[in-house]
Amino acid sequence: QVQLQESGPGLVKPSQTLSLTCTVSGGSISSNNYYWSWIRQPAGKGLEWIGRIYASGSTNYNPSLKSRVTLSVHTSKNQFSLKLSSVTAADTAVYYCARGSLRSWYIFDCWGQGSLVTVSS
Amino acid sequence: QSALTQPRSVSGSPGQSVTISCTGTSSDVGGYNYVSWYQQYPGKAPKLMVYDVNKRPSGVPDRFSGSKSGNTASLTISGLQAEDEADYYCCSYAGTYTLFFGTGTEVTV
Repeated sequence: QVQLQESGPGLVKPSQTLSLTCTVSGGSISSNNYYWSWIRQPAGKGLEWIGRIYASGSTNYNPSLKSRVTLSVHTSKNQFSLKLSSVTAADTAVYYCARGSLRSWYIFDCWGQGSLVTVSS
Repeated sequence: QSALTQPRSVSGSPGQSVTISCTGTSSDVGGYNYVSWYQQYPGKAPKLMVYDVNKRPSGVPDRFSGSKSGNTASLTISGLQAEDEADYYCCSYAGTYTLFFGTGTEVTV
């Protein structure tokens, strides 16, 4: 059974870059059957899709965040990563990594437990 | 267009049915049969309950059913149980690399 686990700093200063990594276990990120996404949720609020990456490194981003987001994949480590630049307090949220199928990338059938990132000086 | 509109909360007694609505536009909910629903307990990750409007992943009880009419999708929970008390979010595909989630609904049993 595939499991996802986010990791990274829980506190980031304003204007700096937020960096998170998602480690995939129980399956290969290079299986070519899935897209790997990042989704965030500010406290007490709804969910927002950030972007997705394929094992080949091909990426697509939410247009509203595209200018600040970079996703990358590290197949040898079975990991993929998120970088969000020029963060502000509005970027404070729980960040989830999730899996979507190749045919239906927008259906997330497996999620990490989430990683809280606070933007504060 | 941003978040899809859901009622803030719905409630029901054990055994009853509740329905959660999810209202969008012809560019998202109304334009595609790609609406999914997620259940989320406090402090936990969302769990997929319904996809493609009315399909259930294996392991999800058939008490959970989805439907759509025009620009509004709905999730119905029949035979409400205490364990169904959670937040529920709808999600709709809205075109290339565009995905909208709902505002979320708290279900109280």
